[in-house]
Amino acid sequence: DTEVTQTPKHLVMGMTNKKSLKCEQHMGHRAMYWYKQKAKKPPELMFVYSYEKLSINESVPSRFSPECPNSSLLNLHLHALQPEDSALYLCASSQERPFSNQPQHFGDGTRLSIL
Amino acid sequence: QKEVEQNSGPLSVPEGAIASLNCTYSDRGSQSFFWYRQYSGKSPELIMFIYSNGDKEDGRFTAQLNKASQYVSLLIRDSQPSDSATYLCAVKGTGNQFYFGTGTSLTVIP
Repeated sequence: DTEVTQTPKHLVMGMTNKKSLKCEQHMGHRAMYWYKQKAKKPPELMFVYSYEKLSINESVPSRFSPECPNSSLLNLHLHALQPEDSALYLCASSQERPFSNQPQHFGDGTRLSIL
Repeated sequence: QKEVEQNSGPLSVPEGAIASLNCTYSDRGSQSFFWYRQYSGKSPELIMFIYSNGDKEDGRFTAQLNKASQYVSLLIRDSQPSDSATYLCAVKGTGNQFYFGTGTSLTVIP
């Protein structure tokens, strides 16, 4: 078990559905991240939030929409996804500002399958 | 040239042996170095991090950093079958740069 909690653990959705992934941490971390990971590849950065504000968007398609309602929560809203978006979606958090010298701690991930 | 390079393996070692995992990086200004373990289908788990040249030990794990040669390694002593996983090297570069290597697959043979 990790201190970063992601829900749901698995999600199957059609290309016309709207769904959301949720991430929660109570470590007081001020930087939160969304990554996408395909099989046998390293995590690929999508978004970074610093002190609840979006600081990095790695040219992610608009069908992915992040939201940070407060310092403990991070959401990823999904709409009109494509089959190639099927992957493991990882949330991570770290102390202070993003990409400081502090390590990132990952949640267990959400396994997303697009039909 | 990739920012962080790892031998993808697979690396196979017998149970009880020392497993040595290596990582090189290109950003000479890199400051922080992390090793993550990832079991198949699971999320990355932080094993160790190191900031200063030299060795850092934690139980069966030792991280070694040589900034002059731009490499960082992870040694696993008394390897166990449960250590079989992919090991990701991650590097915090200059500015807001953060890079993952492609990972080394380790198999510990009973």
